[in-house]
Amino acid sequence: GAVVSQHPSRVICKSGTSVKIECRSLDFQATTMFWYRQFPKQSLMLMATSNEGSKATYEQGVEKDKFLINHASLTLSTLTVTSAHPEDSSFYICSARDMGIGRGTDEQFFGPGTRLTVL
Amino acid sequence: AQKVTQAQTEISVVEKEDVTLDCVYETRDTTYYLFWYKQPPSGELVFLIRRNSFDEQNEISGRYSWNFQKSTSSFNFTITASQVVDSAVYFCALRDVTGTASKLTFGTGTRLQVTL
Repeated sequence: GAVVSQHPSRVICKSGTSVKIECRSLDFQATTMFWYRQFPKQSLMLMATSNEGSKATYEQGVEKDKFLINHASLTLSTLTVTSAHPEDSSFYICSARDMGIGRGTDEQFFGPGTRLTVL
Repeated sequence: AQKVTQAQTEISVVEKEDVTLDCVYETRDTTYYLFWYKQPPSGELVFLIRRNSFDEQNEISGRYSWNFQKSTSSFNFTITASQVVDSAVYFCALRDVTGTASKLTFGTGTRLQVTL
């Protein structure tokens, strides 16, 4: 159980286009999902916290107009990189927080990541 | 503010050697969780362990063991008899329990290279 999927796993796009990345919790409901960005050989940096039915909370320095987050259901959050540029090329990882009754751990489960390359 | 420090950027060992990855954390919270994750070249984070701040008991799982020392704010990870498949980047992380966000703060990671 506790599987999180991301789609696509890899995407290459031209500069100026927008890219949407989906994060799904497959066997549990996630009122909260997190989006991280990881540049090569660096750590994971939290970009934003996505809450179902409300606006995302962005970390300092992350442009909310550039990285649009939508958490329309308890199992799906999307990250849209608008007008992507080469410097947005990175590995984007989502995690979903399982608040299900009985689990008790309030644990985060990570997706496999999406590698974005902007040409 | 929370902070996780992994001072070792890269470690290279020969197979069958034991290796310890260091993790030092800072937090003002009295209740918190510590984690270790493995990130192989594929990129997917693999959960290894979670420890809460009230449980200082050391843990062993196969070749893996963890030493939690609250007095020194350290949560070190030891791999015994390392294998080539252990080659990966290992991240230590800290999670607070204040509010509803439960954010994870990651260290910068230690790249472990195990060679034959």
